[in-house]
Amino acid sequence: DAKTTQPNSMESNEEEPVHLPCNHSTISGTDYIHWYRQLPSQGPEYVIHGLTSNVNNRMASLAIAEDRKSSTLILHRATLRDAAVYYCILRDVGYGGATNKLIFGTGTLLAVQP
Amino acid sequence: EPEVTQTPSHQVTQMGQEVILRCVPISNHLYFYWYRQILGQKVEFLVSFYNNEISEKSEIFDDQFSVERPDGSNFTLKIRSTKLEDSAMYFCASSEKKGIGGTDTQYFGPGTRLTVL
Repeated sequence: DAKTTQPNSMESNEEEPVHLPCNHSTISGTDYIHWYRQLPSQGPEYVIHGLTSNVNNRMASLAIAEDRKSSTLILHRATLRDAAVYYCILRDVGYGGATNKLIFGTGTLLAVQP
Repeated sequence: EPEVTQTPSHQVTQMGQEVILRCVPISNHLYFYWYRQILGQKVEFLVSFYNNEISEKSEIFDDQFSVERPDGSNFTLKIRSTKLEDSAMYFCASSEKKGIGGTDTQYFGPGTRLTVL
């Protein structure tokens, strides 16, 4: 799987937007971009995924650069409950039998201040 | 909302003992996984399981580890002879399907904290 680079930590204030960046300069044309997060003392939790176009769901938005070498997870209004480690993960589309496993990096630790 | 459950939440064992960690995946899911996270480290993939057999395993998943789906609801991870370095949080996950294009979502349980003394 292609490598991703994320800042070790970020801080935000409650009710403000948060932009979490991820660089994946070696991404291949068949890699999906997935985001998971891990709240304190919990298992990882799916957030969002995309391939080329920007994506929105009830949790967040995913903005993907035109060259796909970077992406940004956007939390529109951070809450205290959003304090977590956020992981950007690339997954090969692999029609022929790509792995299902998730390969986690160190992620970005997001702190949300009241 | 359906969720993955795991028992026990915390297991303490003596080195060399066998442990079985239990998971109940989401009922209509077909793919099952175990991951582990040593304190302060990354989440690491151990094994994936589909159609009653292992579909992929990592280097960590050696002969001391085994998985089983003994009935229609449970998915277990057995460690035959625990070592100190097996102390970690173990997460079970499940997904509905492989997902064309790596689009499957994996749902994780809350984890079992294994402490080997």
